[in-house]
Amino acid sequence: EVQLLESGGGLVQPGGSLRLSCAASGFTFNNYDMGWVRQAPGKGLECVSAISGGGGSTLYADSVKGRFTISRDNSKKTLFLQMNSLTVEDTALYYCAKRSDSSTRSFDYWGQGTLVTVSS
Amino acid sequence: EIVLTQSPGTLSLSPGERATLSCRASQSVSSSNLAWYQQKPGQAPRLVIYGASTRATGIPDRFSGSGSGTDFTLTISRLEPEDFAVYYCQTFGISPPLYSFGQGTMLEIK
Repeated sequence: EVQLLESGGGLVQPGGSLRLSCAASGFTFNNYDMGWVRQAPGKGLECVSAISGGGGSTLYADSVKGRFTISRDNSKKTLFLQMNSLTVEDTALYYCAKRSDSSTRSFDYWGQGTLVTVSS
Repeated sequence: EIVLTQSPGTLSLSPGERATLSCRASQSVSSSNLAWYQQKPGQAPRLVIYGASTRATGIPDRFSGSGSGTDFTLTISRLEPEDFAVYYCQTFGISPPLYSFGQGTMLEIK
C-alpha cells in the first residue's frame, strides 16, 4: 500500500524558514517523480515544486522560485521542501504527491498534508 | 504558462442527475497530461481521471472524461451522494515546465 506521510509544518514568523519532509512507502521511490502541492485556506491547488526520480531535474512555480528548494533522499525514501524567506502568502496545507507514471503528468497518491502558518 | 479555466464555478444537482464539468486551457495541451481530481472537505485530492479519459484505480464507471486540445469535460452519469465534492482539472506545461490546476468546480447537492 502506497503511503506518503508529511511532517515539518508549523507556525513561523514572516522571513523565517521551515523544512518539510515526506516519508514514502509501498512503492519503488526512486522510480517516480514527486511533487509538493499546496492549498491555502479555502482556496484551490497550486503545485509549488516537483522533482524527478533521480533528483536531477526540478521545477518551481514562480511564486516560490529562489526561496524554496526541493530535494530527495532515495536511500531513505524521503522527499524534502526547504522553505526560506516565508511570507504570509505561503500559509497553506502542503501536500506531498507521487507522479502516476512516465506516461502521464498526474499525481496518483497524495499524503494528508502538513500545515504551514506564516504569521507574526 | 498554461491557464486552466473551469466552469461552472458551482454546479447544483440532485442525486441521480448527470453532471458535466468543463475545463478549458489557454493553449493546446497534450491529452496524456490532462487529469481530474476530486476533493472532499478535510481530505486530500483523489485522482479520478488521467490521460483525459482513463479512470484511475477504484473509480466507478459513472465517471468519464473526454476532450482534446483546449477543451476537456468530466461527466458523472448518475450522481451518487458521495460524488458531491470539489473537482479540479490539471495539466503540465512545457514552457515553463509546471503543473497547473484549474480553480475548481464545486458540485453541490440541490
